[in-house]
Amino acid sequence: ERQVVESGGGLAQPGGSLRLSCAASGFTFSSYEMNWVRQAPGKGLEWISSITSRSHDKNYVDSVRGRFIISRDDAKNSVFLQMSSLRVEDTAVYYCARGTLDTGRYYYYGLDVWGRGTTVTVS
Amino acid sequence: IVMTQSPLSLSVSPGEAASISCISSQSLLGSKGKSYLDWYLQKPGQTPQLLIYLSSTRASGVPDRFSGSGSGTDFTLRISRVEADDVGVYFCMQARQTPRTFGQGTKLEI
Repeated sequence: ERQVVESGGGLAQPGGSLRLSCAASGFTFSSYEMNWVRQAPGKGLEWISSITSRSHDKNYVDSVRGRFIISRDDAKNSVFLQMSSLRVEDTAVYYCARGTLDTGRYYYYGLDVWGRGTTVTVS
Repeated sequence: IVMTQSPLSLSVSPGEAASISCISSQSLLGSKGKSYLDWYLQKPGQTPQLLIYLSSTRASGVPDRFSGSGSGTDFTLRISRVEADDVGVYFCMQARQTPRTFGQGTKLEI
């Protein structure tokens, strides 16, 4: 079964740091782009970052660029989000989601595998 | 790219049809003439789930009651016969460029 499981959320003070992890299983992790999407309490979905296969490209939404860093370890089938200089407005459930397949050519099938999320509270 | 959904809420009786519109501020047309527009459903208390990608392709396991249409900047999600299990918030998302952006969400009630 294809799945991703997030961890690392918790309570942080403004200005503090947290490192989120997302462990994947059931698919060839190294061939996929991975994404982080967050949802503030009672709000909609916000895409915040992605990393392509082989870490060729890393992309961020403006509100986190310079504060968050995405990385991956294909040997551990994991993607990470290092969050620094946290703000109250970063409070949200953070989801990991699988994206584009890269086999040498790109295939887009949507964000088709999502985890249950990990909760980050900045207060 | 700004994504604008309408309506923001929708109340439908079981068996009726429902439609949600999503308009993008820029064209989502990419290679091979495909529009990079997805639809997701977040049921109450659950994780978002993919319904439609590339504007009109249903994801695995999605009932054929759900259909997506549109190209360029104007897209529609249609549910032909709404069931009680379809309640939740529907989001469109553009994957044409980063940052990817979601619509505000449309809450479907029965």
